[in-house]
Amino acid sequence: DAGVTQSPTHLIKTRGQQVTLRCSPKSGHDTVSWYQQALGQGPQFIFQYYEEEERQRGNFPDRFSGHQFPNYSSELNVNALLLGDSALYLCASSPGPSDSPLHFGNGTRLTVT
Amino acid sequence: AQSVSQHNHHVILSEAASLELGCNYSYGGTVNLFWYVQYPGQHLQLLLKYFSGDPLVKGIKGFEAEFIKSKFSFNLRKPSVQWSDTAEYFCAVTGTASKLTFGTGTRLQVTL
Repeated sequence: DAGVTQSPTHLIKTRGQQVTLRCSPKSGHDTVSWYQQALGQGPQFIFQYYEEEERQRGNFPDRFSGHQFPNYSSELNVNALLLGDSALYLCASSPGPSDSPLHFGNGTRLTVT
Repeated sequence: AQSVSQHNHHVILSEAASLELGCNYSYGGTVNLFWYVQYPGQHLQLLLKYFSGDPLVKGIKGFEAEFIKSKFSFNLRKPSVQWSDTAEYFCAVTGTASKLTFGTGTRLQVTL
């Protein structure tokens, strides 16, 4: 039973560039949430996707956008990267939109230079 | 808005010592409470959760937590820690929405 998988594991980008991170949820889960974990901080909620739509959103600017595909996998896109976007980006999946995410991926470490 | 406060940022214990990590939350309604652990180089894993019922919940690896509603607290405990418990521990809460609000984490270092 596959857990949550994320790719890539590490990424280095330059300020102003755009980045796409990918996530495949745990088997049987249809809801994906994204979190940003800055160094020394707890994860912060970015948004949740269910039925290919954004259902909830945290306090993040419009530069952060996402997508969910019919197979429930998801992408996180960040435009116009800032140095402050450097963080570990975590994907979590749950069996439904009302369920709290109990399964997290290993994350993608994004470094913006 | 909900928030979570973890009092201890870095805790160092010897093996076999008892552990208690503090967690307080701020939220006016019904809450669900969680403790997650992040071992070095690994993903966040759920240790235990409280939704309702018995306020003393038992999780994996001998951990337990007690929900005290009057104190808005959900402290994590373990009677005897092992070197393998070295990790970062996060308390989290959800309200009416399913999104998790995390504390800043407590780094636990267990020495031999």
